[in-house]
Amino acid sequence: NAGVTQTPKFQVLKTGQSMTLQCAQDMNHEYMSWYRQDPGMGLRLIHYSVGAGITDQGEVPNGYNVSRSTTEDFPLRLLSAAPSQTSVYFCASSFSSLAGATETQYFGPGTRLLVL
Amino acid sequence: QKEVEQDPGPLSVPEGAIVSLNCTYSNSAFQYFMWYRQYSRKGPELLMYTYSSGNKEDGRFTAQVDKSSKYISLFIRDSQPSDSATYLCAMTRLSYSSASKIIFGSGTRLSIRP
Repeated sequence: NAGVTQTPKFQVLKTGQSMTLQCAQDMNHEYMSWYRQDPGMGLRLIHYSVGAGITDQGEVPNGYNVSRSTTEDFPLRLLSAAPSQTSVYFCASSFSSLAGATETQYFGPGTRLLVL
Repeated sequence: QKEVEQDPGPLSVPEGAIVSLNCTYSNSAFQYFMWYRQYSRKGPELLMYTYSSGNKEDGRFTAQVDKSSKYISLFIRDSQPSDSATYLCAMTRLSYSSASKIIFGSGTRLSIRP
């Protein structure tokens, strides 16, 4: 099992550009999520999905879109990049949405994004 | 005020020392408490989780929850240089979507000196 994979590892964007961060998992997990990690702020939830075709907003969704057409993939789209979106982005997955309560949530290696 | 507070460190201790990492929280609804370890430029990995109050031990690691004080701790015995990492506390309440309600601390950077 590759677990949770993310591409690219590092990306530099100019303000106003758009891009898609890719996330895939091969564990047949229903629940997938995107976090951003900023110094002193901890991990903050951007969007999540409890299954294919179902997504919802987390704590900091503005400026980001997601879709979940398959169980395996959960891409995160930045519509018009802003310097405030400079961060490290982590994708995570778990068997169900009970992760944290009774199940483990597995994280990908992260994508470092710099917006100039 | 943040729901979960965690001292960012850095914390530097000699090899073999006992390490104590702590978090405080304000939401009394939290029932599940987790500790994640994050190596530099890697994703977090779950170390331990506990339910409600009490202690849980796993090898050199002990997690402790005191709900009356809203205080959780992670103890590392016989610390090793390989324990050098950032440790994140996290917590949630049981619901249909507990995962979407996990609140993370900002992390404590720990360095074990050989």
